[in-house]
Amino acid sequence: DSGVTQTPKHLITATGQRVTLRCSPRSGDLSVYWYQQSLDQGLQFLIQYYNGEERAKGNILERFSAQQFPDLHSELNLSSLELGDSALYFCASSVGWDHTNQPQHFGDGTRLSIL
Amino acid sequence: ILNVEQSPQSLHVQEGDSTNFTCSFPSSNFYALHWYRWETAKSPEALFVMTLNGDEKKKGRISATLNTKEGYSYLYIKGSQPEDSATYLCAPARGSGNTGKLIFGQGTTLQVKP
Repeated sequence: DSGVTQTPKHLITATGQRVTLRCSPRSGDLSVYWYQQSLDQGLQFLIQYYNGEERAKGNILERFSAQQFPDLHSELNLSSLELGDSALYFCASSVGWDHTNQPQHFGDGTRLSIL
Repeated sequence: ILNVEQSPQSLHVQEGDSTNFTCSFPSSNFYALHWYRWETAKSPEALFVMTLNGDEKKKGRISATLNTKEGYSYLYIKGSQPEDSATYLCAPARGSGNTGKLIFGQGTTLQVKP
């Protein structure tokens, strides 16, 4: 158990809809990261938040947005969903904001299926 | 090397065999190199974070080395066991180090046959 909690585990919805994925980081971790893993793709970095502020951005679509709340949990909002958004979305957390010698701890992921 | 490359893509070995795989990455602006193990139906689990050229890390039967000048890292598994079956991901971190952004390779999938 990594200590990172993601909900829901599975989500099935239709094209054009909007969903929210939730992540609670490991106790004591201030950074939250979101990754996407699509079919035949590796883990793609989407975005990092540290202590409520956006820290780094990857190739995150404009239809996607995220935020980190004062209690450090984070939400990833996906809107105007398309079939290609079907993927496994991981949240990870780490203590600090950089990657010097700090591993990232991954949640179990949310599997999003767009019908 | 423009991207992160891991080789081989997949590997099948017998229980007890020792094996190794490679992660190649751009050597410029290197900051750190992460290795993760990802078992089927589970989430990625951190193995090592390496920062210094020549660094060697060990965890049980698994060890890793790092060459930042030429941009590669090797992961070794001694005496493979069926429970070592997983996808092994490397992720170099580049830039000034003021973010946690990692770029993951496609991974090496290891299958250990009993």
